[in-house]
Amino acid sequence: DAGVIQSPRHEVTEMGQEVTLRCKPISGHDYLFWYRQTMMRGLELLIYFNNNVPIDDSGMPEDRFSAKMPNASFSTLKIQPSEPRDSAVYFCASSLYRGRTTNEKLFFGSGTQLSVL
Amino acid sequence: AQSVSQHNHHVILSEAASLELGCNYSYGGTVNLFWYVQYPGQHLQLLLKYFSGDPLVKGIKGFEAEFIKSKFSFNLRKPSVQWSDTAEYFCAVKARGYIPTFGRGTSLIVHP
Repeated sequence: DAGVIQSPRHEVTEMGQEVTLRCKPISGHDYLFWYRQTMMRGLELLIYFNNNVPIDDSGMPEDRFSAKMPNASFSTLKIQPSEPRDSAVYFCASSLYRGRTTNEKLFFGSGTQLSVL
Repeated sequence: AQSVSQHNHHVILSEAASLELGCNYSYGGTVNLFWYVQYPGQHLQLLLKYFSGDPLVKGIKGFEAEFIKSKFSFNLRKPSVQWSDTAEYFCAVKARGYIPTFGRGTSLIVHP
């Protein structure tokens, strides 16, 4: 398996522009997570999905942020309009939970480095 | 709800020094515990995990962690660090029925 695939790896945009980050989870995984990493706040959970359904989006900072998972193999995180304070690394992760099994680790993508000028 | 606290945000060591990174969690029930590592420019990857059994867990690259239930701790240790251990280290806790919760992370810099 290729692992969790994120695109683009780097995104540089101007304030006010729309930004779309993409994620392809590992096939068969039923959970998908979006995280944001900054120096100031460390790793923050933004939203997570279970079987394509958003379960908890309380970490989404503002209405400018939205996330979708139209099918089991694709998710997007959109920022509209973007602001300089959104600059961060955005990670997508997926996992498969089977109840009380031991294989419950998260698999992370390589991240998208977003710079909003 | 579960929570995780990593005491040290930044640690700077010389090669061959011993390492211990603190991790405490809060949750009254059974938990699974993890340490993830993020090398510069790379994504997070699992370093080691504890689910049950021997509370002393050995991971990759000579790392180990000890689960002390009475202290709600899961500290990461390595007897002799190398320059290549420079990375960000994240502790995570997962209770049954919850998704994993990550600590804020500890940045480790090892000077050659």
